[in-house]
Amino acid sequence: AAGVIQSPRHLIKEKRETATLKCYPIPRHDTVYWYQQGPGQDPQFLISFYEKMQSDKGSIPDRFSAQQFSDYHSELNMSSLELGDSALYFCASSSLRGPNTEAFFGQGTRLTVV
Amino acid sequence: GNSVTQMEGPVTLSEEAFLTINCTYTATGYPSLFWYVQYPGEGLQLLLKATKADDKGSNKGFEATYRKETTSFHLEKGSVQVSDSAVYFCALSEGNAGGTSYGKLTFGQGTILTVHP
Repeated sequence: AAGVIQSPRHLIKEKRETATLKCYPIPRHDTVYWYQQGPGQDPQFLISFYEKMQSDKGSIPDRFSAQQFSDYHSELNMSSLELGDSALYFCASSSLRGPNTEAFFGQGTRLTVV
Repeated sequence: GNSVTQMEGPVTLSEEAFLTINCTYTATGYPSLFWYVQYPGEGLQLLLKATKADDKGSNKGFEATYRKETTSFHLEKGSVQVSDSAVYFCALSEGNAGGTSYGKLTFGQGTILTVHP
């Protein structure tokens, strides 16, 4: 079965650079969520989109922005990167339709800021 | 706000031992509860869920019961295997309230489980 696809899997950036993370949800899923997991930490909710509109916002820094496109894929844009942004970034998708609406997670993008 | 508290790890067991990982939660409404598992280098996989009080979620020999009176969702397995070694996260979601699905999750700290042969 198709899963959530994230790219790239690994990314190394320098401080003050910009990074773009991509997420391709499971087909027919209408909602995308972004999470940040620091080393040894639990995942923290950043932001979500439903039908291409922002649906909820968590602890996302102002330097970060995200959007969901017409094909439902989503991108997380991170500017002025700081060392503390080094983390595993997860995307998850779900659907409001059907009996099972739980979130399915991608394998994550590991961002290292040097 | 919502919060989830898990027993601190790491937890180290011998194969075929009994596993319990405690999880308690604080929520303003009536959340749905989940256990996710994260294998090394992998993403989060849903292990089991329960959407209302007294529901029991079960999968792959793991089970957890949604106890509203004690605000708990403890994970148990009768006989662990080496392949169960992973990090386990308890999580809650307000879910389907106002039309949102179960994707906005509040996670516990995670419990590292290591099972030795």
